[in-house]
Amino acid sequence: DAGVTQSPTHLIKTRGQQVTLRCSPKSGHDTVSWYQQALGQGPQFIFQYYEEEERQRGNFPDRFSGHQFPNYSSELNVNALLLGDSALYLCASSQDLGSTNTEAFFGQGTRLTVV
Amino acid sequence: AQTVTQSQPEMSVQEAETVTLSCTYDTSENNYYLFWYKQPPSRQMILVIRQEAYKQQNATENRFSVNFQKAAKSFSLKISDSQLGDTAMYFCAFRNTNAGKSTFGDGTTLTVKP
Repeated sequence: DAGVTQSPTHLIKTRGQQVTLRCSPKSGHDTVSWYQQALGQGPQFIFQYYEEEERQRGNFPDRFSGHQFPNYSSELNVNALLLGDSALYLCASSQDLGSTNTEAFFGQGTRLTVV
Repeated sequence: AQTVTQSQPEMSVQEAETVTLSCTYDTSENNYYLFWYKQPPSRQMILVIRQEAYKQQNATENRFSVNFQKAAKSFSLKISDSQLGDTAMYFCAFRNTNAGKSTFGDGTTLTVKP
């Protein structure tokens, strides 16, 4: 089992550009959550996808959008990049059990640098 | 909204000794989960231990144990027989039972010295 895989591992973009980050969940998981982790801080919840729809969203602007595919993999898109978007982006997968979710397993993250 | 506070930005401990990391949280919920995650320099967030709020018994996982005080909204992590490989950033996290979102503290950087 490859666990949660994210690509790319590192990325450098220019202000104003757009970026797409990718995540493949752990085998058997159907729910994907995205987090932004600024340097020296804890992860901040961006949104969660389940059954190809955004189920829950954190306090992030509409420049942050996502998608989930039928195979449960997911993309995070960020438009009009700002310097402040520089961070580690973490993907976490889990399995929906109806009333709750199983443990979240995290990928190694994508380090995004905006210059 | 839930908040999680880790009041110790940095801690150090000698190899083989015991260290306790502190965490407090604020919520109006009665049922929830609490977690401790470890994030080494490799960036992989690894689950160390979890506690269900409805369980009075403190969770243990080998050298790792928690002291869960629900009324005080406190959730500390004790690491016994510290090893060099325990050096990492440790995050305390809260999650409602019916939500996928986890709320994290800002972490404690733990250094185990030989």
